[in-house]
Amino acid sequence: QKEVEQDPGPLSVPEGAIVSLNCTYSNSAFQYFMWYRQYSRKGPELLMYTYSSGNKEDGRFTAQVDKSSKYISLFIRDSQPSDSATYLCAMTQFISSGNTGKLIFGQGTTLQVKP
Amino acid sequence: DTGVSQDPRHKITKRGQNVTFRCDPISEHNRLYWYRQTLGQGPEFLTYFQNEAQLEKSRLLSDRFSAERPKGSFSTLEIQRTEQGDSAMYLCASSLFRLGINTEAFFGQGTRLTVV
Repeated sequence: QKEVEQDPGPLSVPEGAIVSLNCTYSNSAFQYFMWYRQYSRKGPELLMYTYSSGNKEDGRFTAQVDKSSKYISLFIRDSQPSDSATYLCAMTQFISSGNTGKLIFGQGTTLQVKP
Repeated sequence: DTGVSQDPRHKITKRGQNVTFRCDPISEHNRLYWYRQTLGQGPEFLTYFQNEAQLEKSRLLSDRFSAERPKGSFSTLEIQRTEQGDSAMYLCASSLFRLGINTEAFFGQGTRLTVV
């Protein structure tokens, strides 16, 4: 079983819809959680960065972390065709003796927003 | 600063040849990471440096792979005797580690390797 599970999709929604993307994880030591967006044949672009549990909002994007359930989500409001991409969740541990910053990624969810 | 830069963007090589990729991190970042991404999968960690010291290597990094960061700035990743299974996107990322805290990592555009 992978440390981070993410449904690969594809997920297809009409323009303007609210999109919900999710990841589950097994390692309770994960404390930093990120969402990256990746367009085809490009590098991942950081969208959201959160520490521990709670919500964080940035424009049309909201990230939620529920550490008790080992579950993280990314919501996209008023989705646009330009949001069509692969969305990767990533997480990392904080180790008191050293923080490597090594990221563990999910498989990525492919999103298509249709005009 | 224009972000993390990787060169080349695309490399096609014949099986058995050696290839070398370069990564220039964000200038004030002291940590540099290499990841590999195959089609339909998320990136997988290969190795990372703090300044010029290589602090961790994944078991994915076989003996044919070597990475360096000689002056704590740019890094190179070399693959010797390439195999078709090495075909992937090789991603570089950098971050700032200070006072026990690691900032978010920013990625380059990647080098896409095709071994024929």
